[in-house]
Amino acid sequence: DAGITQSPRYKITETGRQVTLMCHQTWSHSYMFWYRQDLGHGLRLIYYSAAADITDKGEVPDGYVVSRSKTENFPLTLESATRSQTSVYFCASSGRVGDTQYFGPGTRLTVL
Amino acid sequence: GESVGLHLPTLSVQEGDNSIINCAYSNSASDYFIWYKQESGKGPQFIIDIRSNMDKRQGQRVTVLLNKTVKHLSLQIAATQPGDSAVYFCAEKNAAGNKLTFGGGTRVLVKP
Repeated sequence: DAGITQSPRYKITETGRQVTLMCHQTWSHSYMFWYRQDLGHGLRLIYYSAAADITDKGEVPDGYVVSRSKTENFPLTLESATRSQTSVYFCASSGRVGDTQYFGPGTRLTVL
Repeated sequence: GESVGLHLPTLSVQEGDNSIINCAYSNSASDYFIWYKQESGKGPQFIIDIRSNMDKRQGQRVTVLLNKTVKHLSLQIAATQPGDSAVYFCAEKNAAGNKLTFGGGTRVLVKP
């Protein structure tokens, strides 16, 4: 049972480049989420999705794009990476509204 | 591994003692609360949850207490073990949606 996985686990990129972080879950959960975790800010919601082809902004969506063409995948794209997007990114999923969210192992992204 | 934070409140506990981690939440409309544990290099892991119609819930070695009057949540860990060393986050969900708002986290260090 793979659960929820993220790739890559570590990524270094340069300012202005496009970067895509992948998230895959095997539970057929309807809801998927992207968070970033920074010193002094805890976990902040970037985007979430209630189902395939349905996405909504979270607390800090600027500079990010998401898509959800398949229920099991929820990629996060930084179209033009900035240094302020250096962070640890976590993907999460839950089965229904109000259910517990289960987190992936995270991706550490460094933007030089 | 993925960093969680260098300036978190820290609770140092002797192995075998009980730990109490506190969390204040802000939204009186929140109806669901979760405690997560995050070990170094890993994503947040679900520990226990509680709905707003309860004031106490027990799991294996853990108890969550909810005081809605003062908007306070606590996590009690019985007989703290070295494996309990981690950062603990509380999260609240507003009745209006499926989004979680996370607290800043508390680092628990277990001394042998």
